[in-house]
Amino acid sequence: DIQMTQSPSSLSASVGDRVTITCRASQSISSYLNWYQQKPGKAPELLIYATSTLQNGVPSRFSGSGSGTDFTLTISSLQPEDFATYYCQQSYSTLWTFGQGTKVEIK
Amino acid sequence: EVQLVESGGGLIQPGGSLRLSCAASGFAVSGSYMSWVRQAPGKGLEWVSVIYSGGTTLHADSVKGRFTISRDSSENAVYLQMNSLRDEDTAVYYCAKVSRKYYLDAFDIWGQGTMVTVSS
Repeated sequence: DIQMTQSPSSLSASVGDRVTITCRASQSISSYLNWYQQKPGKAPELLIYATSTLQNGVPSRFSGSGSGTDFTLTISSLQPEDFATYYCQQSYSTLWTFGQGTKVEIK
Repeated sequence: EVQLVESGGGLIQPGGSLRLSCAASGFAVSGSYMSWVRQAPGKGLEWVSVIYSGGTTLHADSVKGRFTISRDSSENAVYLQMNSLRDEDTAVYYCAKVSRKYYLDAFDIWGQGTMVTVSS
């Protein structure tokens, strides 16, 4: 199976900060990478697919980049509603796998 | 409106069986890829099973041989039959619709989840 490793596992940031989350795959997954946002007690929501394409309705302060094994999710200016846990997920292999998550907390 | 509603969770003893249901509305499950994803308490997301539009199924190694995904077109629902349950199967189980986005698959519609607790 392809292992997905996110860093950091958690971070504290203030409203307005620029936040970057990293996701690394155990082998090349080309650009077959999605990002999800999950708020406490809620189901995850698709945020970004195919590495860098925003799902409908997602604010432009979110962006994604990368290819091969290294990917990043960036929030350009953190807003109160962005405090959540973020997961990367690979669709390169038919056995889909997620990263362990990055919790973004209020400083 | 596209919607997924799970049911069937509960408390079950180790070694027992449970069947989860996922009722879909706004689209046909028979024409879609449908999946189950679980989340143990305080943990991350783990993909469990998928049923493709053609009927082929795939399961994660952690549940292979114990869990079976199926669907009923007349009910427009997807099911997860879980047998030989273990403590480590305790989790919220989400039903998710998988959509082709450009060249890859993504979970773009999720249900609210149903809790399964395996404990004696």
